[in-house]
Amino acid sequence: DTGVSQNPRHKITKRGQNVTFRCDPISEHNRLYWYRQTLGQGPEFLTYFQNEAQLEKSRLLSDRFSAERPKGSFSTLEIQRTEQGDSAMYLCASSPREFGEQFFGPGTRLTVL
Amino acid sequence: LAKTTQPISMDSYEGQEVNITCSHNNIATNDYITWYQQFPSQGPRFIIQGYKTKVTNEVASLFIPADRKSSTLSLPRVSLSDTAVYYCLVGDDDTDKLIFGTGTRLQVFP
Repeated sequence: DTGVSQNPRHKITKRGQNVTFRCDPISEHNRLYWYRQTLGQGPEFLTYFQNEAQLEKSRLLSDRFSAERPKGSFSTLEIQRTEQGDSAMYLCASSPREFGEQFFGPGTRLTVL
Repeated sequence: LAKTTQPISMDSYEGQEVNITCSHNNIATNDYITWYQQFPSQGPRFIIQGYKTKVTNEVASLFIPADRKSSTLSLPRVSLSDTAVYYCLVGDDDTDKLIFGTGTRLQVFP
């Protein structure tokens, strides 16, 4: 399968713990996006990479959130000191060009107890 | 932050044409309009993309008026498997951020 993959698919953690999610984009795609989706809502943009450069960040991305894309390949999204409000599906997408079709991964569902 | 709005839900029967409209009155000048389909517990899946006028592919058509403040996704002859949530995605002119629409839940009945 050469699509976008995300790991883990599910994560349950206690409030105050740190969590890290990984996204592996389609190999030739230089653009990578992170979104958050809560139940019954549309995905909300979090951040965007072009190669290894983080070009845009949403105000939703508080100082507890950090994303990296070393060497312009896979990306990680870390949430420090998790709060119950962080419970959501975290989606990753990649695209081969600006304004191009985004290919989404299956998401990581985070539950903070 | 401008809102990108869609009808909450629509019902249809198999074989009918379905038109879903998205209002995006603050779309960025140079951005495309993209529509996605999402099934429960899955990531969104690309349907169609356009900049202006009309675009057609093997699964849908996209109609965009000259002012680009709205767009209409047209699904010809829907089937039960088209039951899903449909989202438009545009760039916001003020923030230059990507914004998904509020989503339209389409239910297709036999």
